Amino acid sequence: EIVLTQSPDFQSVTPKEKVTITCRASQSIGSSLHWYQQKPDQSPKLFIKYASQSFSGVPSRFSGSGSGTDFTLTINSLEAEDAATYYCHQSRSLPYTFGQGTKLEIK
Amino acid sequence: QVQLQESVPGLVKPSQTLSLTCTVSGGSISSGNYFCNWIRQPAGKGLEWIGRIYTSGSTSYNPSLRSRVTISVDTSKNQFSLKLSSVTAADTAVYYCARETNENPIDYWGQGTLVTVSS
Repeated sequence: EIVLTQSPDFQSVTPKEKVTITCRASQSIGSSLHWYQQKPDQSPKLFIKYASQSFSGVPSRFSGSGSGTDFTLTINSLEAEDAATYYCHQSRSLPYTFGQGTKLEIK
Repeated sequence: QVQLQESVPGLVKPSQTLSLTCTVSGGSISSGNYFCNWIRQPAGKGLEWIGRIYTSGSTSYNPSLRSRVTISVDTSKNQFSLKLSSVTAADTAVYYCARETNENPIDYWGQGTLVTVSS
């Protein structure tokens, strides 16, 4: 099973700040890494697919990078609506796995 | 646009079988080529993948749950189903069904349904 480890677990940030969340895989997964945003009492929403491709309708301030074992989700010029928990997910091999989540709080 | 909606089983007693359905709207399952994944999330915790089924009926399960899980598809009702047997309190969670296609990873999720295991 591929283990995904996100850092940090929690981050408190101010609006307009740049945010970086990382996800490290226990073995190489190529570009099969995806990012989801989940707000309280909502289902997760796909934001970035295959490491760097933005999903339909996602604001341009969100971007992803990386390959192999190290991946990054970047939010440029954070907005209040970006407060949420972000999860990475690998689809390289079964069983599918998710990172433990990074909770983003807006100051 | 395809939408997914989980059924609402509510309360399940320990040792019983949890049964959920995922109804798909906005397209026929039989004409689509995609996976239905089941994922769960205990309150305040992360996401755990349970398993998936292709529209043809081929299944894959998480080894940690494989002995208790059955996922099936009913094309006549445009539904996917999840059964989890011998439940305990540890199975209490919000259960999601979510679509995966050949072009996209898991992209659209149902709203989720809370299942509580309690006597």
